[in-house]
Amino acid sequence: GAGVSQSPSNKVTEKGKDVELRCDPISGHTALYWYRQSLGQGLEFLIYFQGNSAPDKSGLPSDRFSAERTGGSVSTLTIQRTQQEDSAVYLCASSRDPRGRREETQYFGPGTRLLVL
Amino acid sequence: AQSVTQLGSHVSVSEGALVLLRCNYSSSVPPYLFWYVQYPNQGLQLLLKYTTGATLVKGINGFEAEFKKSETSFHLTKPSAHMSDAAEYFCAVRSYTGTASKLTFGTGTRLQVTL
Repeated sequence: GAGVSQSPSNKVTEKGKDVELRCDPISGHTALYWYRQSLGQGLEFLIYFQGNSAPDKSGLPSDRFSAERTGGSVSTLTIQRTQQEDSAVYLCASSRDPRGRREETQYFGPGTRLLVL
Repeated sequence: AQSVTQLGSHVSVSEGALVLLRCNYSSSVPPYLFWYVQYPNQGLQLLLKYTTGATLVKGINGFEAEFKKSETSFHLTKPSAHMSDAAEYFCAVRSYTGTASKLTFGTGTRLQVTL
């Protein structure tokens, strides 16, 4: 079946502009994660959605970052007033249900490569 | 808090040689451990995972890893490297924040395979 898809694959923006990154999880997956991959920081957890529960935003680096998930499926990560240090690859992942399961595999999308000039 | 340490940011092996990528973890509870591979300009692909049971885990592309609790290690091996194995490899541990189940990654090891 189809995997996790993300769009756009590449985004170049000017400092101070807002950007929106989109993630389409695997159909039927209730959990959705955003991670950021940047030089010097490795892979960092940003935010987690599980069904209709309140999202876990503990990884968001600042209040310029926000995310929403509409209808329990598609998610949008928004970065307001972008800064050069926001340049990174933003990865989305989904999984079936991490709660009450002995195993969990997160399936990753190809990422959105963001460059802030 | 749980963490992962990958020793060696770059590893170079000859084609046909043994591949050994090191991963040590820190966890206050029994860990669930994962190895992911990332090819250039692509997302992460699961190689293998350890949850419970057999400590020697076999994955895709001929890779395997052994969970050693006494050494808090989960090293990744492959008997014979192939050029197509050149990629970046990430070890990860599953951790919880409240009800969340996020992955905490190591800093990655870039594998180079030479002729």
